[in-house]
Amino acid sequence: DTAVSQTPKYLVTQMGNDKSIKCEQNLGHDTMYWYKQDSKKFLKIMFSYNNKELIINETVPNRFSPKSPDKAHLNLHINSLELGDSAVYFCASSPQGWGAFFGQGTRLTVV
Amino acid sequence: GEDVEQSLFLSVREGDSSVINCTYTDSSSTYLYWYKQEPGAGLQLLTYIFSNMDMKQDQRLTVLLNKKDKHLSLRIADTQTGDSAIYFCADGYSSASKIIFGSGTRLSIRP
Repeated sequence: DTAVSQTPKYLVTQMGNDKSIKCEQNLGHDTMYWYKQDSKKFLKIMFSYNNKELIINETVPNRFSPKSPDKAHLNLHINSLELGDSAVYFCASSPQGWGAFFGQGTRLTVV
Repeated sequence: GEDVEQSLFLSVREGDSSVINCTYTDSSSTYLYWYKQEPGAGLQLLTYIFSNMDMKQDQRLTVLLNKKDKHLSLRIADTQTGDSAIYFCADGYSSASKIIFGSGTRLSIRP
């Protein structure tokens, strides 16, 4: 009965590959996010979706493509992975206008 | 643009109070939040304050908001070793479906 779940938890891949991270929330929230946390622990918003509609795209390279098939899911696909993409990616959800509940994160390592 | 700033480190003695400070720039915030991140884990929403409040107390946690100075603080009374973590201040913009995080303050506890 996890509230916000992401898969996989760890992802190690070679440069140039394409990979996806999945996120699901069972809280009935309207808004979902992707955040990137770098090695210094800085958290930066990447995307925000509200009821499957893209609201925010924070100057993220277009190699990153979010997809929201329904309100409960927000997946992140990354093309042509680069070394600098190594980070922890967090999915989160919130009832519109209030707070965010985070998943456990996906640690992506590009080698 | 929106910005949230925190000092990076704080060290306190076990049993003392910890005070973590945060400043933010945008005056259209609806809610301000404190999150806790333990090693290898996701972010846990600790507490929040609505922007028209000055203070909120929740057991050992006290949040103070000075809206004029755009200053937010989190006080943890009787700090314990289990409080060791990174604490993030966050600024919520409900109209924009966006939550902006500070850089996080790493709290360490001395015996």
